[in-house]
Amino acid sequence: NAGVMQNPRHLVRRRGQEARLRCSPMKGHSHVYWYRQLPEEGLKFMVYLQKENIIDESGMPKERFSAEFPKEGPSILRIQQVVRGDSAAYFCASSPSRQAGGLNTEAFFGQGTRLTVV
Amino acid sequence: QKEVEQDPGPLSVPEGAIVSLNCTYSNSAFQYFMWYRQYSRKGPELLMYTYSSGNKEDGRFTAQVDKSSKYISLFIRDSQPSDSATYLCAMSATYTGANSKLTFGKGITLSVRP
Repeated sequence: NAGVMQNPRHLVRRRGQEARLRCSPMKGHSHVYWYRQLPEEGLKFMVYLQKENIIDESGMPKERFSAEFPKEGPSILRIQQVVRGDSAAYFCASSPSRQAGGLNTEAFFGQGTRLTVV
Repeated sequence: QKEVEQDPGPLSVPEGAIVSLNCTYSNSAFQYFMWYRQYSRKGPELLMYTYSSGNKEDGRFTAQVDKSSKYISLFIRDSQPSDSATYLCAMSATYTGANSKLTFGKGITLSVRP
């Protein structure tokens, strides 16, 4: 059972370009989370998605950032018109649907995409 | 005040030492408390998970939660060089679904010297 797959692992973009980060959740997982890790900072929540729905985007910057998790295919985090401050490691995590009466809150993280804006 | 504060590092200990890692938090709604380990250039992996106050032990690792003090700890006994990594505390509020968004501490880098 493959883990959470993120690609690319490293992405270099010039200022003003678009960055597309992909995340394929673990098999059987229908919940996807995106986090950003800035240098010397902890992970910061960005967005929580289920298939075809954005559940919580309270951590997403208001402009230039968008996320989707289509019925088929990976979840995509898109950053338009990137700026140097967007340089960070972006992590995706996935979790299964809650079991009846269960307390499973474990999220499995991918290896991350390291975005560098030059 | 940040929602989650984690002791600043880095921390360097000799092999075999007992390591104590701590976090404090301000949000009374946090119910689920986790410790993640992150090796350099890798994604975080879950080490320990506890619900509400109490202790939980797993091998050389013990997690403690004191909700009255809003304080959580991770103890590592008989530390090994392979324990060298960054340790992140994480918390989430009242269960609202399959998972809740996690609020992380900044992380502390631990180095265990052979």
